[in-house]
Amino acid sequence: DIQMTQSPSTLSASVGDRLTITCRASQNINDWLAWYQQKPGKAPKLLIYRASNLQSGVPSRFSGSGSGTEFTLTINSLQPDDFATYYCQQYNFYWTFGQGTKVEIK
Amino acid sequence: QVQLMESGGGVVHPGRSLRLTCAASGFAFSNYAMNWVRQSPGQGLEWVAFISYDGSTKDYVDSVKGRFTISRDNSRNTLYLEMNSLRVDDTAVYYCAREGHTTELQTFDIWGQGTKVGVSP
Repeated sequence: DIQMTQSPSTLSASVGDRLTITCRASQNINDWLAWYQQKPGKAPKLLIYRASNLQSGVPSRFSGSGSGTEFTLTINSLQPDDFATYYCQQYNFYWTFGQGTKVEIK
Repeated sequence: QVQLMESGGGVVHPGRSLRLTCAASGFAFSNYAMNWVRQSPGQGLEWVAFISYDGSTKDYVDSVKGRFTISRDNSRNTLYLEMNSLRVDDTAVYYCAREGHTTELQTFDIWGQGTKVGVSP
């Protein structure tokens, strides 16, 4: 099984901040990585696929990078709507998710 | 608009069965592979089952093999998950999720709102 590890688990930030969330895969997944945003009581929402491709309708302040085993999600100029939990997910071999990073208000 | 809507959740005793349903609308359901994904406080997000666009290929996470069955009725734009021999650790919110149509997007681009399943003695 491919394990996905995110860091940090929780991140305190303010509106306007630039954030980076890291995701590490237990083995090479090339760039078969997605990022999701989830708000309480709601389903996850796809933000990024194939490591760096922005899903249609997602604001350009979100960006993704990386390949192999190390990946990052960056949010430029954090907005009030961005306080949520973020998950990485590999889809190189089946699908597995990271444990999540909660972005909370500082 | 593109929409998935789950139903059928509830609270049952261990060993009992439940059937979840996912109604699709706003897109050509028969052209898309579909999945079930669950989320529990203890296990986070976990992929559960996959079915190809025509139902010919199915796959499951090891923990549900032999107990859960995924199926679909393309004439009714509906996805199902038959869950038998339920265990306490099957307790979760169950989401149906559409798999994207391109090689790049072979992950979950549309999700339903989820249905809660509780298994309690």
